Amino acid sequence: DAGVTQSPTHLIKTRGQQVTLRCSPKSGHDTVSWYQQALGQGPQFIFQYYEEEERQRGNFPDRFSGHQFPNYSSELNVNALLLGDSALYLCASSQGRASGQETQYFGPGTRLLVL
Amino acid sequence: GDSVTQMEGPVTLSEEAFLTINCTYTATGYPSLFWYVQYPGEGLQLLLKATKADDKGSNKGFEATYRKETTSFHLEKGSVQVSDSAVYFCALTLGTSYGKLTFGQGTILTVHP
Repeated sequence: DAGVTQSPTHLIKTRGQQVTLRCSPKSGHDTVSWYQQALGQGPQFIFQYYEEEERQRGNFPDRFSGHQFPNYSSELNVNALLLGDSALYLCASSQGRASGQETQYFGPGTRLLVL
Repeated sequence: GDSVTQMEGPVTLSEEAFLTINCTYTATGYPSLFWYVQYPGEGLQLLLKATKADDKGSNKGFEATYRKETTSFHLEKGSVQVSDSAVYFCALTLGTSYGKLTFGQGTILTVHP
């Protein structure tokens, strides 16, 4: 049973560029959440997708956008990259209507470096 | 808003020592509480969880008890191993938040032989 997978593993971009990160959820999971983890910090919630719609959003600017596909995989897009966007981006998946008690399973992350 | 506070780190211990990592939370409702672990170069793995007051989560020798009266969820292990060296994150989620996790800042644990 494959867990959560993310691609690419590492990425280097320059300021002002755009980036797309990808996530495939764990088998049987239909909900995908994205988190940003700056160096030495805990992950911060970006947004969550369920039934191809953004269900909830954290305190991130509109430069951060996403998409969920019919097969439940998801993309995170960041436009007009800033140096401060350098971080580990984590994808997490879970199953069903969120009750607050379900376990979220995390992928290994994509490490983005903005120069 | 909802928040999680972990003890200041890093924590350095000798093998077989007793471990406590403190975690307290602030939440508007009744959260579920989690401990996640992040090994070097890897993503987050769920270590244990508790979904209601007085529940005890346990896994791999680690334990944490959901204390509503002190809004705490301290992580403990009786005898740590070198392989336990990692970053530990306390987190919460609310039933109204669709599973959105709010994390603490993390505590780095280093265990020496």
